[in-house]
Amino acid sequence: AQRVTQPEKLLSVFKGAPVELKCNYSYSGSPELFWYVQYSRQRLQLLLRHISRESIKGFTADLNKGETSFHLKKPFAQEEDSAMYYCALSGGVGAIFGKGTKLSVKP
Amino acid sequence: DTGVSQDPRHKITKRGQNVTFRCDPISEHNRLYWYRQTLGQGPEFLTYFQNEAQLEKSRLLSDRFSAERPKGSFSTLEIQRTEQGDSAMYLCASSLGGGTYGYTFGSGTRLTVV
Repeated sequence: AQRVTQPEKLLSVFKGAPVELKCNYSYSGSPELFWYVQYSRQRLQLLLRHISRESIKGFTADLNKGETSFHLKKPFAQEEDSAMYYCALSGGVGAIFGKGTKLSVKP
Repeated sequence: DTGVSQDPRHKITKRGQNVTFRCDPISEHNRLYWYRQTLGQGPEFLTYFQNEAQLEKSRLLSDRFSAERPKGSFSTLEIQRTEQGDSAMYLCASSLGGGTYGYTFGSGTRLTVV
């Protein structure tokens, strides 16, 4: 069965500290993985895709097929990074989302 | 084109009433998706359209739910005989092709069934 697991409901860090939001997936084929972000009072928006291997707002994510993980990382967190983050898996039909991790960056 | 639009933003209805939501996707996007999100959960897939064809429905979509996308443009999601358990945020998203480039979401319609 297709599944996305985000083990942390809440992650709290201080400004300037490194951040890692965990995402593990279960999928039998070749997955397409994404990170979405939702800032307060804003709509859900795409942050980055694994196939583009890009860095957006300082965030990167590497697909590890052996560990079936797609963790989101940023070396130095900023207060404006505070938001809900969702990992999503696209298997050709509707994407499956994790339950989300709330990132809180304290000054 | 200002992105994906959803209407209304909020809907309060009495149990047993019917409600209909509308979604206007990005005009170039051929795929349209409906999701439901409840407190503490991520978006849950309901159904999707490729152009005007409804290609997949989740088991979450009971017989009381119906969706249409006439002419492959806007879409409507209707819930008949609403129940309190239908209270949720209903999200619409669109994509070009199979979603390799990700989805663009609307702001959602928050439904409260009293």
